[in-house]
Amino acid sequence: GAVVSQHPSRVICKSGTSVKIECRSLDFQATTMFWYRQFPKQSLMLMATSNEGSKATYEQGVEKDKFLINHASLTLSTLTVTSAHPEDSSFYICSARDPTGSQPQHFGDGTRLSIL
Amino acid sequence: GENVEQHPSTLSVQEGDSAVIKCTYSDSASNYFPWYKQELGKRPQLIIDIRSNVGEKKDQRIAVTLNKTAKHFSLHITETQPEDSAVYFCAASRRGYSTLTFGKGTMLLVSP
Repeated sequence: GAVVSQHPSRVICKSGTSVKIECRSLDFQATTMFWYRQFPKQSLMLMATSNEGSKATYEQGVEKDKFLINHASLTLSTLTVTSAHPEDSSFYICSARDPTGSQPQHFGDGTRLSIL
Repeated sequence: GENVEQHPSTLSVQEGDSAVIKCTYSDSASNYFPWYKQELGKRPQLIIDIRSNVGEKKDQRIAVTLNKTAKHFSLHITETQPEDSAVYFCAASRRGYSTLTFGKGTMLLVSP
């Protein structure tokens, strides 16, 4: 079963809306979570690394004021796309680092974001 | 930083044939190389991985080989089946639990 839960799975909203996506680790404490963006027929591009209790580390070219990340607990990280525009439409996937598990990262099911 | 190149971008095979996908990486410090299978609109699923202290690893119809000197690794799928059709991504990281850098993906189509 899934060890990382991502919610919502699908969002359709108007331009200018802010959208929050949640990523929860269900069976373990995740001090580190990762947020990826995936455009159609493209690879997963790391947006930022989320660390519990500290500021996220953003990849080059990712606007930290546009994509707000909060990792307030060991099991929850949130990504907020602020004032979303059509070009922000994409598939957003989170993953959680599990240092005690058989896999280094467990992925969520992803969120399909469509901005009209 | 790390750069991972993956080839081919698309691969069509007949059921029962073998499929090979190749990746190269740039960071000689990378020591962990997973392969993911992603079906449309779903999460990537780890299918096999290899660490730098091993040259080859096999799990039923799937195998991965690693050449550290040449900095390339490959995924081998034998006796392909239609349900193997998906996009496959290779990745590399410096430490097993560190940031993953993904290749661009290979769309594998297995025709019955």
